[in-house]
Amino acid sequence: DARVTQTPRHKVTEMGQEVTMRCQPILGHNTVFWYRQTMMQGLELLAYFRNRAPLDDSGMPKDRFSAEMPDATLATLKIQPSEPRDSAVYFCASGWGTHKNIQYFGAGTRLSVL
Amino acid sequence: AQKVTQAQTEISVVEKEDVTLDCVYETRDTTYYLFWYKQPPSGELVFLIRRNSFDEQNEISGRYSWNFQKSTSSFNFTITASQVVDSAVYFCALSEGGGSQGNLIFGKGTKLSVKP
Repeated sequence: DARVTQTPRHKVTEMGQEVTMRCQPILGHNTVFWYRQTMMQGLELLAYFRNRAPLDDSGMPKDRFSAEMPDATLATLKIQPSEPRDSAVYFCASGWGTHKNIQYFGAGTRLSVL
Repeated sequence: AQKVTQAQTEISVVEKEDVTLDCVYETRDTTYYLFWYKQPPSGELVFLIRRNSFDEQNEISGRYSWNFQKSTSSFNFTITASQVVDSAVYFCALSEGGGSQGNLIFGKGTKLSVKP
């Protein structure tokens, strides 16, 4: 049963600390998306990659967020330094290619920044 | 600009009632895809259906059915004979063609509570 795996599932940290979230996309998928879910804003796109190359990260605060795909089986989202307003659920999704293709979501990382 | 509106923030029904979740979208593209996802209390997002802009046939899958009407830019979702396990937040989403790289534009979601 192929699925997107995200770690950790929950993270509590203090303001100013670095946070790293990891995502293992479904094997064979070439597109990876990072979304953030908050009560106020709903689900927002942060960044996405195709064939490991970043295509768009305009949704991310550039001064503190960074997203990478060191290899085809791992995508990372880092926040440094973290702030309380970063508290949210971060989802990774993977899919194949273009706008018509289904995105499969991981279970999310629930981040609380105190 | 692209946008998805789910006007119903919360709906509460009693088990076995039918319920329709509304979704209205805006796009300037002629080629696009519409999706519904379910987010149960456990938190993950589960894919339910995809529909392309050229296919206006309604679709039925068990107790679930979807009505796509381009004339009103709507893609509504009906659950027949609702069950407690249907309690979740349901999201409608749009993916545009053209130069889009395929990211989903989500509505704010509709929280459905089905009471026994």
